[in-house]
Amino acid sequence: AQKVTQAQTEISVVEKEDVTLDCVYETRDTTYYLFWYKQPPSGELVFLIRRNSFDEQNEISGRYSWNFQKSTSSFNFTITASQVVDSAVYFCALSERNTGNQFYFGTGTSLTVIP
Amino acid sequence: GAGVSQTPSNKVTEKGKYVELRCDPISGHTALYWYRQSLGQGPEFLIYFQGTGAADDSGLPNDRFFAVRPEGSVSTLKIQRTERGDSAMYLCASSQGLAVYNEQFFGPGTRLTVL
Repeated sequence: AQKVTQAQTEISVVEKEDVTLDCVYETRDTTYYLFWYKQPPSGELVFLIRRNSFDEQNEISGRYSWNFQKSTSSFNFTITASQVVDSAVYFCALSERNTGNQFYFGTGTSLTVIP
Repeated sequence: GAGVSQTPSNKVTEKGKYVELRCDPISGHTALYWYRQSLGQGPEFLIYFQGTGAADDSGLPNDRFFAVRPEGSVSTLKIQRTERGDSAMYLCASSQGLAVYNEQFFGPGTRLTVL
C-alpha cells in the first residue's frame, strides 16, 4: 500500500496565482516526520521542510506555507503568488520511527507556472 | 560547503554488463542512502548505511544489486548482469543521523541506461 499519496500528477497555473499541492499519508506509527522536497528540471532534490507528528502548527516561509492536519492525515503545501522558478516536481515524504531508515516518497506533483 | 556528489552523472551500458555507481556524502554525515527513481515516480529506497555497515538493505530488488561503504564515507552501488529494467536515476543521500529525525541531502543522481 502506498504510504504517501499525491493525487495531483500535474498542475499548471499562471504566474502570481496561488497553488496548493496535496499530500495524504498513511502510518500506524505515533512518531513520524513529514517532508517536502522540490526537484527542479536539473534533477537534484532540494529539501523544503520537515514537520514532526507532534507539531501541528502551520508554518510559513516566505511564499511557502504548509498545513499539517493529523485528523485528515494530510500535509498540504501552498505556494502564494507563484513564479516561473517554482516550476518543478514536488515530492512529499514520510519517515516513521519504527522504520526510521528510509523515506517513503509520493509519486510527485509536477507544477508548471506559466508566465 | 560541498554537497553530496555522485559519479558518473550518466552511464550507458549494455545488457549483461557490470556497473558501479559512486556516491560521496557530505563530510561528517554518518548515514547514507541509495534510492532509485524511475521516470514519473518518486524515489524508492534501496539501502541504508550507518557508518560502514548496511543497516537496512530491504529495498534492494534482487541479489544482482550490492552496495558497500568500506570506510564509512564514500559508497559504491554495484549492479551485476544489468537488465533493461535497471534503467533509472540512482540517487544517493546523506544525513547527520537517522532519517526519522534528520532531513536527507540528495546528490544530483546517476542516470543509468541499459541498452
